[in-house]
Amino acid sequence: ELKVEQNPLFLSMQEGKNYTIYCNYSTTSDRLYWYRQDPGKSLESLFVLLSNGAVKQEGRLMASLDTKARLSTLHITAAVHDLSATYFCAVHNNNDMRFGAGTRLTVKP
Amino acid sequence: GAGVSQSPRYKVAKRGQDVALRCDPISGHVSLFWYQQALGQGPEFLTYFQNEAQLDKSGLPSDRFFAERPEGSVSTLKIQRTQQEDSAVYLCASSFEGRSTEAFFGQGTRLTVV
Repeated sequence: ELKVEQNPLFLSMQEGKNYTIYCNYSTTSDRLYWYRQDPGKSLESLFVLLSNGAVKQEGRLMASLDTKARLSTLHITAAVHDLSATYFCAVHNNNDMRFGAGTRLTVKP
Repeated sequence: GAGVSQSPRYKVAKRGQDVALRCDPISGHVSLFWYQQALGQGPEFLTYFQNEAQLDKSGLPSDRFFAERPEGSVSTLKIQRTQQEDSAVYLCASSFEGRSTEAFFGQGTRLTVV
């Protein structure tokens, strides 16, 4: 069974600091997603990672994938308040797509 | 519309009542997923369709939950004899077939069972 673990579950950061969120999964994957969710809203797609070594960047967020280690990271650079949200990774394998529990990020001034 | 559309946005049901939640995926999208998201939790997989075929229903929590997609587009998630533990946001996602495609989510239906 495909299992996805994210850590940390809660993250409080100061503006301007850097941090990394980790996503481990248990079986092979054909693609991995990172999503952002604001309170009361649906999930907004941030990145789709398809292959080993894939790296994608958008603004202050950078995602990477290591399929051999079954690990993806979401790196936050120089955090700003607008990044406060919950971030989920989701792993797709054949007909299955499973989510991590989410990382609730709070960026404080 | 351009995105995944779900209706109703909010539903309050009395315990024991049956409910039906609708999902209109993006036109042409082959894959459709239903998820249940409890407050403060990540989405939990319920079921998956490829066109009209329900290929995986392993996440449906009980036989009170039933999903269909008879013509390979619109899908309905039905919950019979609702219980308080069914209260959650039900999310629908669709994707075009292929490795390079991403899944797009609807706004969800927030179900509250009282």
